[in-house]
Amino acid sequence: KNEVEQSPQNLTAQEGEFITINCSYSVGISALHWLQQHPGGGIVSLFMLSSGKKKHGRLIATINIQEKHSSLHITASHPRDSAVYICAVNNNNDMRFGAGTRLTVKP
Amino acid sequence: DSGVTQTPKHLITATGQRVTLRCSPRSGDLSVYWYQQSLDQGLQFLIQYYNGEERAKGNILERFSAQQFPDLHSELNLSSLELGDSALYFCASSVWREGREQFFGPGTRLTVL
Repeated sequence: KNEVEQSPQNLTAQEGEFITINCSYSVGISALHWLQQHPGGGIVSLFMLSSGKKKHGRLIATINIQEKHSSLHITASHPRDSAVYICAVNNNNDMRFGAGTRLTVKP
Repeated sequence: DSGVTQTPKHLITATGQRVTLRCSPRSGDLSVYWYQQSLDQGLQFLIQYYNGEERAKGNILERFSAQQFPDLHSELNLSSLELGDSALYFCASSVWREGREQFFGPGTRLTVL
């Protein structure tokens, strides 16, 4: 079993829909990251969380340390949000990655 | 633009060869991280340097080595290349030593033929 599990693997939504991507992890962590990777390959760090909730524009990330679970929400989704979203955790100076969620938002 | 630069953008080489990938961190960032992204293994952490010293090691093969120079740029050396080393190699930088927000470079796509 992977130490970082994401669901769903693939997600297709219509423009305007509310989207949730989930991440569960099985190791102790000092921080959790949400990354966005566009089709061109570039990676952007969206959030780094160690507790609670963060919001940036239409993106919201939450983490529940006790349940070892994090969610990434996108409100009013747009085709430009189409990308792979990757959850990663810091564990003992190591970084472990989920397999990613491929999001496609259709106009 | 994250402020992190990587060269070259693309690299095509043959099995058994050796290559060097270069990364320049954002101005002021002391930590550099190297990652490998392959189709079958996804993203994997290779190694981290902080202010010139190795700080953490991940799934880095013995054929691979890295260093961070006094001007804080870093190089990843890959030797005795195999077909399976074909991947995207990213570097990222951050200000702090411990896991903090990281800024990713555009990556180097390595193809081993």
